Amino acid sequence: DSGVTQTPKHLITATGQRVTLRCSPRSGDLSVYWYQQSLDQGLQFLIQYYNGEERAKGNILERFSAQQFPDLHSELNLSSLELGDSALYFCASSAAGQPTDTQYFGPGTRLTVL
Amino acid sequence: AQTVTQSQPEMSVQEAETVTLSCTYDTSESDYYLFWYKQPPSRQMILVIRQEAYKQQNATENRFSVNFQKAAKSFSLKISDSQLGDAAMYFCAYRSSVTGSYQLTFGKGTKLSVIP
Repeated sequence: DSGVTQTPKHLITATGQRVTLRCSPRSGDLSVYWYQQSLDQGLQFLIQYYNGEERAKGNILERFSAQQFPDLHSELNLSSLELGDSALYFCASSAAGQPTDTQYFGPGTRLTVL
Repeated sequence: AQTVTQSQPEMSVQEAETVTLSCTYDTSESDYYLFWYKQPPSRQMILVIRQEAYKQQNATENRFSVNFQKAAKSFSLKISDSQLGDAAMYFCAYRSSVTGSYQLTFGKGTKLSVIP
């Protein structure tokens, strides 16, 4: 158990819908990263937050957005869902968002878009 | 942009034997970090081992060790005394040390099977 929690574990929805994925980092960790794992694209970095502020952006679609709240949990919002958005979405956390930090991954949320 | 290449989509090893998984990367940076993550059927991403580029000594963690060749931009993982629980997808990952760019860049993965 990494100490990072993600809810829900599984999500099944229809095209055009909107969903919210939630992540709680390890106790004391200030930085949260979101990654998408799909068969086509492999594991890709989406976005990073540090202590409530956006730190870095990767291959995140405009239909996707995220935020980190004062209690440091983070949410990833996916809207106007398409079939190709079906993937495993991971959240990872690290202590201070420094390059020396280890990123610990949550168990992931499996999103299926029908 | 940095890229990570794992040229072996699948590998197999006999239980108790040794196997080496290959990884190469492309970067223009001199300071960076390299990682191997394991993803068993449960899908959990588990850190196996990490290597700092400024360290010449290869990292080891119990039965896991790396062969880091900085000039060749190669970072292979050796698993000794393979166990059934080692069966998983293994991902090589790169992380820059440039300020603000601390995300992991992953290879496509190598699926390791362990034969009893």
